[in-house]
Amino acid sequence: DAKTTQPPSMDCAEGRAANLPCNHSTISGNEYVYWYRQIHSQGPQYIIHGLKNNETNEMASLIITEDRKSSTLILPHATLRDTAVYYCIVRVVSAGNMLTFGGGTRLMVKP
Amino acid sequence: DTEVTQTPKHLVMGMTNKKSLKCEQHMGHRAMYWYKQKAKKPPELMFVYSYEKLSINESVPSRFSPECPNSSLLNLHLHALQPEDSALYLCASSQGWGGTDTQYFGPGTRLTVL
Repeated sequence: DAKTTQPPSMDCAEGRAANLPCNHSTISGNEYVYWYRQIHSQGPQYIIHGLKNNETNEMASLIITEDRKSSTLILPHATLRDTAVYYCIVRVVSAGNMLTFGGGTRLMVKP
Repeated sequence: DTEVTQTPKHLVMGMTNKKSLKCEQHMGHRAMYWYKQKAKKPPELMFVYSYEKLSINESVPSRFSPECPNSSLLNLHLHALQPEDSALYLCASSQGWGGTDTQYFGPGTRLTVL
C-alpha cells in the first residue's frame, strides 16, 4: 500500500471547520483513501472513504484532488469531542481488508 | 448495533502468567482482527481471521496465540510475555475479508506486563 504523509498536529477553534490534509503522492489507481480517528483511550473509529470522487456523510467530507495525490478531510463544525488523532490510510481493496496506520494528525479543538 | 466488545478493559500480568483477552461481535461479521498499539504509536496489525480461519499472522511471536472458536468470538491467549508487550490490544471486525468493508474497533484491553 502507498504511504501517507500528514502533519503531526493541528489546532482548530470550536465551531469552525477543521481541514485535515493528507499527501499520498504514490497512490495507485486501485487504492482507496480511508480516514479513521482515535479519541484518547478508545478504539479507532471509521469516518469516511473514497476512490476518486468527493464523498460526504454525516460525520465529514472527503475531498480528493483530481490527480489523487492528496486529500483533505473536512469536519464542517468542529466540537471539543472531535479532539482526536486522525489517520489517513490508503489501501488496495482487493488485497484483503488490512489497515496500515501511519502517524496521523493530532487535532486539538479549542474553545 | 455496531459494537465490538472486549474484556477485560485492563489486565496486569506477570511474565510467567497465562491470560486471555476476549473479543465479541454480534454483527454477523466474518472477519476479525487483533491489533497492538504501543503508547503514542499507531495501531499495528497482528492477526486476521476470515471465516474462523487464520488468514494473516504478521510475524507475531508465539507467546501470542489467537483463537477463533466461532464467528462471533475472538480470543488472544497470552503466555510468558515480556514487559515490552505492554500495550493496548485492539480487536476489530468487518463484514468480510476484502472489499471496502468498514472495520469496527472495540475499546481495547490495556495490558501491563510486570
